[in-house]
Amino acid sequence: GAVVSQHPSRVICKSGTSVKIECRSLDFQATTMFWYRQFPKQSLMLMATSNEGSKATYEQGVEKDKFLINHASLTLSTLTVTSAHPEDSSFYICSAREQWDQPQHFGDGTRLSIL
Amino acid sequence: AQTVTQSQPEMSVQEAETVTLSCTYDTSESDYYLFWYKQPPSRQMILVIRQEAYKQQNATENRFSVNFQKAAKSFSLKISDSQLGDAAMYFCAYRSPISNFGNEKLTFGTGTRLTIIP
Repeated sequence: GAVVSQHPSRVICKSGTSVKIECRSLDFQATTMFWYRQFPKQSLMLMATSNEGSKATYEQGVEKDKFLINHASLTLSTLTVTSAHPEDSSFYICSAREQWDQPQHFGDGTRLSIL
Repeated sequence: AQTVTQSQPEMSVQEAETVTLSCTYDTSESDYYLFWYKQPPSRQMILVIRQEAYKQQNATENRFSVNFQKAAKSFSLKISDSQLGDAAMYFCAYRSPISNFGNEKLTFGTGTRLTIIP
């Protein structure tokens, strides 16, 4: 149980392109989803927390207009990197939690490469 | 703000042996959750074990167990009978009390890369 699917697993695109990453909870309803960014050989850094039906809460230093998050249903959250540039290249990971007292379950991650 | 420190960037252990990964944290809160996550080369983060701070008993999950020392703010992971499939990056993580809605994010350590020697 507690499977989180993230798609796509890898994206390579040109600078200026907007990229959408999907995060789905397959066998549970996720009241809260989280988006992380991980640089090579570093830890996960939380970008934002999203609750179904409400606006995402962004961490300090994360541009909300750059990283658009939508959590329209209890099983789907999307992260859109708008007008992506090479410095946005990174590994993006989502996680989902069913209830407030449950642990987070992570997706497989998306490797984004901007040329 | 809470911080999580993993002082061992890399560790290695002989297959079938036991290894302990260290983690310390800093917090002013009295109740919280602690986790160990595993990230294999496939990159998916997998929950290994979790500990509630209010519980004195150390959590165990098959070959994985923790040594939770609340006063010392230490949370080490012991892996017994190490297997090749245990090779991964291990992250220690802290989560604030569940009653603080809006402040439930995980704070991760920098990770320990564990290599299993056949």
